[in-house]
Amino acid sequence: ILNVEQSPQSLHVQEGDSTNFTCSFPSSNFYALHWYRWETAKSPEALFVMTLNGDEKKKGRISATLNTKEGYSYLYIKGSQPEDSATYLCAFRGSNYKLTFGKGTLLTVNP
Amino acid sequence: KAGVTQTPRYLIKTRGQQVTLSCSPISGHRSVSWYQQTPGQGLQFLFEYFSETQRNKGNFPGRFSGRQFSNSRSEMNVSTLELGDSALYLCASSSSGLQRYTFGSGTRLTVV
Repeated sequence: ILNVEQSPQSLHVQEGDSTNFTCSFPSSNFYALHWYRWETAKSPEALFVMTLNGDEKKKGRISATLNTKEGYSYLYIKGSQPEDSATYLCAFRGSNYKLTFGKGTLLTVNP
Repeated sequence: KAGVTQTPRYLIKTRGQQVTLSCSPISGHRSVSWYQQTPGQGLQFLFEYFSETQRNKGNFPGRFSGRQFSNSRSEMNVSTLELGDSALYLCASSSSGLQRYTFGSGTRLTVV
C-alpha cells in the first residue's frame, strides 16, 4: 500500500503569518507530485504539478519545492490571508500513473 | 470552457439498492478518475478510465464499477449499497491522465 503523508493535519495561523507544510511520498517509481487547494463547498483546485527533483513552483504568494530523492515536498504560503483558508492536498503519481492523495493539511487563517 | 459536470449533486438511497453516478469531463479530456471521500479519510482512488479503457483500479470491492463512453463521459455504479458507502464521490478529468486534474463538484451519496 502506497503511503502519502501530510503534516501537520491542521494549522491555525494569524493573518500575515508565513507558513509551510510537508508532503512525504515514496522515493521510488516517482512520476509526479501534485498540490491541490480544496476550499469548503468547492471542488479541489490544482496548484502545481511537479516532476523534476529540485523543482520549485510559484503562484502568487504560494510556492512549492520538490525532493524526489528523499521523497518530500514543501508548500509555502507567504503572508497568509483569510482567503487562503482551505485544505491543501498533495498527491503522488507513480510509474503506474495512479494518483494517490494524502489526507491533507487544513489551514485556518484568522483575521 | 465548461468544467467537469457531475450529476446528480445529492442522492439518498436505501441499503441494498444500486446507484449510478455520472461525470462529464472537460471537452477534449480523455481521462476520468473517480474518488471517494469519507469523514477522516483522504480522497480514496476508485478507478481511472482513459479512452474507454480502465487504466487503474483502487482497492474497492467489486460492487463498485465504472465505464467510459466514446464521448469520454463516465459513469460509476455501486450495487448492493451499504451504509458505509455514504460519501462524497468526486470525479476528475485531465487530457491524458498525466497532467493536473480538474475536479467536478461531486455527488453526495447518503445510504439509509
